Order: sequence, then structure tokens, then C-alpha cells
Amino acid sequence: AQSVTQLGSHVSVSEGALVLLRCNYSSSVPPYLFWYVQYPNQGLQLLLKHTTGATLVKGINGFEAEFKKSETSFHLTKPSAHMSDAAEYFCAVTLGWGAAGNKLTFGGGTRVLVKP
Amino acid sequence: GAVVSQHPSWVICKSGTSVKIECRSLDFQATTMFWYRQFPKQSLMLMATSNEGSKATYEQGVEKDKFLINHASLTLSTLTVTSAHPEDSSFYICSAREKLAGVPYNEQFFGPGTRLTVL
Repeated sequence: AQSVTQLGSHVSVSEGALVLLRCNYSSSVPPYLFWYVQYPNQGLQLLLKHTTGATLVKGINGFEAEFKKSETSFHLTKPSAHMSDAAEYFCAVTLGWGAAGNKLTFGGGTRVLVKP
Repeated sequence: GAVVSQHPSWVICKSGTSVKIECRSLDFQATTMFWYRQFPKQSLMLMATSNEGSKATYEQGVEKDKFLINHASLTLSTLTVTSAHPEDSSFYICSAREKLAGVPYNEQFFGPGTRLTVL
């Protein structure tokens, strides 16, 4: 089984400041991890994913995330927040084909507010 | 990239009526589609997994007779909310995935969502 916990349902940052969104996971086998962004009344857009290989993953819009197996974490960061980053962010995990039918399990989401 | 569409984008219906939502993969063949439900300010909850040509697999607590899912072709899945009631009002999102041989994971591509309001 797998689960995802996002620490902080709301994060407020100033424009130009660091964005840090926390995600911790629990799984019985090495998971595949994802960050998605959702704008109001829209579907989900993939920001980045960790499937194999490098622990530091770069995504779109200047976001990146670091996979730390020892801490079971996959925190999302962006060095400098932009007003357009205001949205809801979801961390998600799947165990792949071999278990749970490749279903995604989502965290509770973190709403980011960017102050001018 | 892969594109998934949903229709309608929003729908308002009267209590007791049925509503059908379509999910289409526009540029790939979706062997599997997923249906999620999202309440305001909450996360996505998986309702069911739909494989082309077979019956959908529903998550625990989701009523099969209430939420009818059909995946008749490799590019189309439909979710029908039968005898809708106000508590069924929600944002419904589908995702689609193409299964590729020899790959441990295949990405899900999400539709834009359908907002259902039941009066």
C-alpha cells in the first residue's frame, strides 16, 4: 500500500521568494513520485516526476524536487515565486504496474498564495 | 504531449435525472482510464479504473449502480451519474493512460474536469 502526506494545506510566499512544498510518502516498495499543479476549475498538469535515476528532478516552470529515500520525502521547490504560481499543488505516488494496478494516490494538496 | 478532453466542462441538472460525462484521449490509445472525484478544497479521490473492453473496477465505497462507467473504445470512456442528487455535486476528473510493453510505469494524462451541480 502507498500513502502521501503533504505538510501544510496552505503556503503563503512573497513574489520572488523561495517556494517550498513538503511531501512525504509511505510505500512497501520504491515508488514513482509526481507533483501536479491545478489551477481553479481545471484539471491537473504534471510539473515533474521521479521514476528512476537522478534524485534531483527538474520540471516545468522552474520547479524542481529532490527524492530522499532515507527521509521518504519528495519536496518541491522553486527559487523565486511568481504571481502565476498561485495554485493548488498535489504530490502523488504510484507503485507501478506490479502493484495496485498503477493507481495514483494523491496527497491532500497545498494551496499556494503569492503576495506581491 | 498527450491530450485528454472531457465533455461537458460543466453541467447543471435537476435532482433525479442522469448525467453522462465523456472522457476522450485525442492523440493516443488509452487502454486504461481513471475517474476521480474532487470536492471543493479537497484532493482527488479515485472512483474507478476502467480498462477498455472490460468492466470497471470500483474503489471501496463507490456505488457501481450509481456511477456507471463504460470504456467501449480505446479513446472514449463515459461516466454516467444515475438519479443524481445534490450530494453528487462535485468536480469529476478523468485521466487516461496508454500501456506500453516493458515499461514499469506509464504516465496518466488528465482531462480538464467536469463540474456537476445537481439542484
